[in-house]
Amino acid sequence: EAGVAQSPRYKIIEKRQSVAFWCNPISGHATLYWYQQILGQGPKLLIQFQNNGVVDDSQLPKDRFSAERLKGVDSTLKIQPAKLEDSAVYLCASSLGGTIEKLFFGSGTQLSVL
Amino acid sequence: GENVEQHPSTLSVQEGDSAVIKCTYSDSASNYFPWYKQELGKGPQLIIDIRSNVGEKKDQRIAVTLNKTAKHFSLHITETQPEDSAVYFCAASGGSRLTFGEGTQLTVNP
Repeated sequence: EAGVAQSPRYKIIEKRQSVAFWCNPISGHATLYWYQQILGQGPKLLIQFQNNGVVDDSQLPKDRFSAERLKGVDSTLKIQPAKLEDSAVYLCASSLGGTIEKLFFGSGTQLSVL
Repeated sequence: GENVEQHPSTLSVQEGDSAVIKCTYSDSASNYFPWYKQELGKGPQLIIDIRSNVGEKKDQRIAVTLNKTAKHFSLHITETQPEDSAVYFCAASGGSRLTFGEGTQLTVNP
């Protein structure tokens, strides 16, 4: 079974630029999550999708972050414009059902904002 | 919201010894407590989880205990091996959102 795929693996941008991350969840997994992991901290939920609908985006900085999950499969997370404090690893995770149990994480995209 | 504290932040043991990582949570409504292992350059991987109606769960060398009254849970790894070296995260959830601890860097010395 293929795991959660994410790209790119690394991204370096300057502040005020925009960036996008892509995620392909495990086939058949209805729920998709984007987490932000700052160095030395635990992952923090940014947004949760159930199929192509948003379940929880209360911690997403909506003035600069946006995410979509078209057709209930792949998802993209965008930051525009980026700030220095956005430097982190952006993790995508998926789960089979509608709960947070048994999450499968991708390897993440490491973003550096200079 | 939920707050999860994890201790210690770093732990170094000799191969074959046991390792214990402890977490406390704030929301008494939390009922699901997973533990994730994160190796360098990879995403977290679920290693064991427990629900609040169970006090202890074991899977080979790994065990988790839960004390609902005190609102704390612990991860126990016995007979540690060098490949157990990684960052371990506890988490808690009372609904649809997982709140993670800050992580414990475990180093197993050969």
